[in-house]
Amino acid sequence: AQSVAQPEDQVNVAEGNPLTVKCTYSVSGNPYLFWYVQYPNRGLQFLLKYITGDNLVKGSYGFEAEFNKSQTSFHLKKPSALVSDSALYFCAVRDVRSGGYNKLIFGAGTRLAVHP
Amino acid sequence: NAGVTQTPKFRILKIGQSMTLQCTQDMNHNYMYWYRQDPGMGLKLIYYSVGAGITDKGEVPNGYNVSRSTTEDFPLRLELAAPSQTSVYFCASSYPEGGVETQYFGPGTRLLVL
Repeated sequence: AQSVAQPEDQVNVAEGNPLTVKCTYSVSGNPYLFWYVQYPNRGLQFLLKYITGDNLVKGSYGFEAEFNKSQTSFHLKKPSALVSDSALYFCAVRDVRSGGYNKLIFGAGTRLAVHP
Repeated sequence: NAGVTQTPKFRILKIGQSMTLQCTQDMNHNYMYWYRQDPGMGLKLIYYSVGAGITDKGEVPNGYNVSRSTTEDFPLRLELAAPSQTSVYFCASSYPEGGVETQYFGPGTRLLVL
């Protein structure tokens, strides 16, 4: 079965330190992977995606993600965290059965708390 | 562009009442989606549409209905509200970007059924 796992409910990091939000996936075939961020009382905002090519994907707000096929992971990273990065982060994978449209399977989300 | 807009932002319903959640996008996207988000859970797909006049069920369609008469609008109908439908509802639309559709979300509708 296809699935996405975000093993940490919450990640705490000090401002200025590097951050990592973990994501692992299980799909048949080549994965299309996404990261979204949700600020309080807001909808999800697209951060970045991996389709093919370079394993390091750069996205919005200084975030990047590293695709690792052997570990079936797609961890979100940022070299220096900001307090304003505090939000809920969702990893998602495209359902390979979705045919011509982009049905996404979402992880449960990881809350990132950046402390001053 | 306003992007994806949703109304209302918040609503309280009594059990058995009905309501329509509105969703409009001004980006001329063909694909539109309705999700629900429950606490501690990822988003679950309720219904989706690949174009005007075409809709199909997602993972959790029971208790909901949709229609897509125009490219812009994709309303979600709850006929007989139940407490299990208490959730936050997100509408999204998408277009091909780099060969894969990227979904863009509205701000959500918070629904409480009592």
